[in-house]
Amino acid sequence: GQSLEQPSEVTAVEGAIVQINCTYQTSGFYGLSWYQQHDGGAPTFLSYNALDGLEETGRFSSFLSRSDSYGYLLLQELQMKDSASYFCAVRIYNQGGKLIFGQGTELSVKP
Amino acid sequence: GAVVSQHPSWVICKSGTSVKIECRSLDFQATTMFWYRQFPKQSLMLMATSNEGSKATYEQGVEKDKFLINHASLTLSTLTVTSAHPEDSSFYICSARDRDGGYTFGSGTRLTVV
Repeated sequence: GQSLEQPSEVTAVEGAIVQINCTYQTSGFYGLSWYQQHDGGAPTFLSYNALDGLEETGRFSSFLSRSDSYGYLLLQELQMKDSASYFCAVRIYNQGGKLIFGQGTELSVKP
Repeated sequence: GAVVSQHPSWVICKSGTSVKIECRSLDFQATTMFWYRQFPKQSLMLMATSNEGSKATYEQGVEKDKFLINHASLTLSTLTVTSAHPEDSSFYICSARDRDGGYTFGSGTRLTVV
């Protein structure tokens, strides 16, 4: 089976930097994705790591280390609107393209 | 970008009745759609994979007779919750792989069974 573990909650202040970790156990996957979800909304894509290393997209960066079964999402210059749930997700080999999500991290940004 | 339209956005139904949720890919063909269920403060749990023109593949523990999935065309997949009960109240979201290989999500359906 597959499992992706994340901290359930993270709190930070505006302007700060926060890192959300994702540790996983999976038999094989194409890459690690990150999604943001506001209350009652659909997940929106943030970042994707097909290979080990760091990917940067504006204020968001994501990192993957397959040897450590670990990845993280880094959010810089936090804004109040970044308060949301964040999910890591993987697409498993030979599983018809289905995307499996982590448990999710609720980020609260305080003024 | 790719768009998946999901309807209804919310629905309230009486216990024992059935509810149909539709997902349409508006500007691309979706041979495969994925249906998720999400309880408050929890993750998106994959329920089933819907394939155009063939039977859906259900995840372990999901009752296929209760959650009927139909994918009759390349742009439309439906999920019908049959004989709904209060424990079926949840947020249901569909997703499809778009032409760029990414995943596009519908806006979700909030189902409340009373």
